[in-house]
Amino acid sequence: SQKIEQNSEALNIQEGKTATLTCNYTNYSPAYLQWYRQDPGRGPVFLLLIRENEKEKRKERLKVTFDTTLKQSLFHITASQPADSATYLCALGSGGGADGLTFGKGTHLIIQP
Amino acid sequence: DGGITQSPKYLFRKEGQNVTLSCEQNLNHDAMYWYRQDPGQGLRLIYYSQIVNDFQKGDIAEGYSVSREKKESFPLTVTSAQKNPTAFYLCASSTLMGRGNTEAFFGQGTRLTVV
Repeated sequence: SQKIEQNSEALNIQEGKTATLTCNYTNYSPAYLQWYRQDPGRGPVFLLLIRENEKEKRKERLKVTFDTTLKQSLFHITASQPADSATYLCALGSGGGADGLTFGKGTHLIIQP
Repeated sequence: DGGITQSPKYLFRKEGQNVTLSCEQNLNHDAMYWYRQDPGQGLRLIYYSQIVNDFQKGDIAEGYSVSREKKESFPLTVTSAQKNPTAFYLCASSTLMGRGNTEAFFGQGTRLTVV
């Protein structure tokens, strides 16, 4: 069955450093991968999308890489701030696109001042 | 303001009751989705709809029902057949643009508790 793995434990990073989150998947050939941010008690908010034929995507302090050979995506937040503290979800989609996403359990990121 | 609205924010249900969760969007999106989130778990797909008057079961559809009579609305009914309904329910929408690959917009969620 399809499986998506994200760091199961909380990730503690000092303010100003780069936070790197990992998303690994098995038994899946996604056409694209998305990253979302979720704050407690709220719905996820879209951050970045990367397609299977793309290696890297950037948006301000965020960078995503996608390695379909390793079946892995890395999500980086540079110059991290306490306001970046949240749970980050990795989601995979198929080529059709409109039949829903498959989500990982998320990684809880804590940026300490 | 464009967005997706879920109501109510909190809902309490007695054993054996059916309850309906509301989801409305004014983003003109064709596709709408319902996910369930349990503590420490990822989002799991319940139902989705790509067009009015049509919907498909997701991974955990048992004990749930939906309707899509209008493009803007996709209500979810949690029936008494759902054995463990206490959870955080999230509605989302997206465009069908080309081959998809588009972001999902989520509502703020409904927290359902069985009392």
